Amino acid sequence: GENVEQHPSTLSVQEGDSAVIKCTYSDSASNYFPWYKQELGKGPQLIIDIRSNVGEKKDQRIAVTLNKTAKHFSLHITETQPEDSAVYFCAAPGNTPLVFGKGTRLSVIA
Amino acid sequence: KAGVTQTPRYLIKTRGQQVTLSCSPISGHRSVSWYQQTPGQGLQFLFEYFSETQRNKGNFPGRFSGRQFSNSRSEMNVSTLELGDSALYLCASSLTASGQGASGANVLTFGAGSRLTVL
Repeated sequence: GENVEQHPSTLSVQEGDSAVIKCTYSDSASNYFPWYKQELGKGPQLIIDIRSNVGEKKDQRIAVTLNKTAKHFSLHITETQPEDSAVYFCAAPGNTPLVFGKGTRLSVIA
Repeated sequence: KAGVTQTPRYLIKTRGQQVTLSCSPISGHRSVSWYQQTPGQGLQFLFEYFSETQRNKGNFPGRFSGRQFSNSRSEMNVSTLELGDSALYLCASSLTASGQGASGANVLTFGAGSRLTVL
């Protein structure tokens, strides 16, 4: 089945700097790669996703890149703000709806 | 458009008791999935239901069960509670079941979760 690994587990950046979170997956047949943001006391919220027919997707300060050959995808957040502080999860489809990485706790220091 | 609603939001039980959690999906969504979230294990898949049928089940003991009703609402039950069952239980809904969406992908919308504490 699908296995998703996510790094780093924690990340601290200064406000205004960029943050990058990386994930690898094992199933070469996977074709959909979402990223979720979870704030304290809330459920995960989809922030961006990418399908296997494109290599990059951007939405304002957030971008996701996909390298199918290497089986890894990354989340890039530019000009970080304090409200970006949260736990971020990557995921890929497996035999279940989604298999999630273990999460990255991002702290943006003002 | 209302989101995914989970009830109750918080509950405390003692070992040996049972608990039932409820999930109302987004209107029009026919698939409901359940995940258990703990600090050490992250998000682990419990079950997926579509049109009242269980399509997938994760690697959890038989004490964990669920069902889906004709209006797509879902419940999950945990019997003979153990301390290790303390977790945030998340429900997610989607339009289609896994593998049936465009490009074979499934877009999940999560509820806020039910936080279970077992004493």
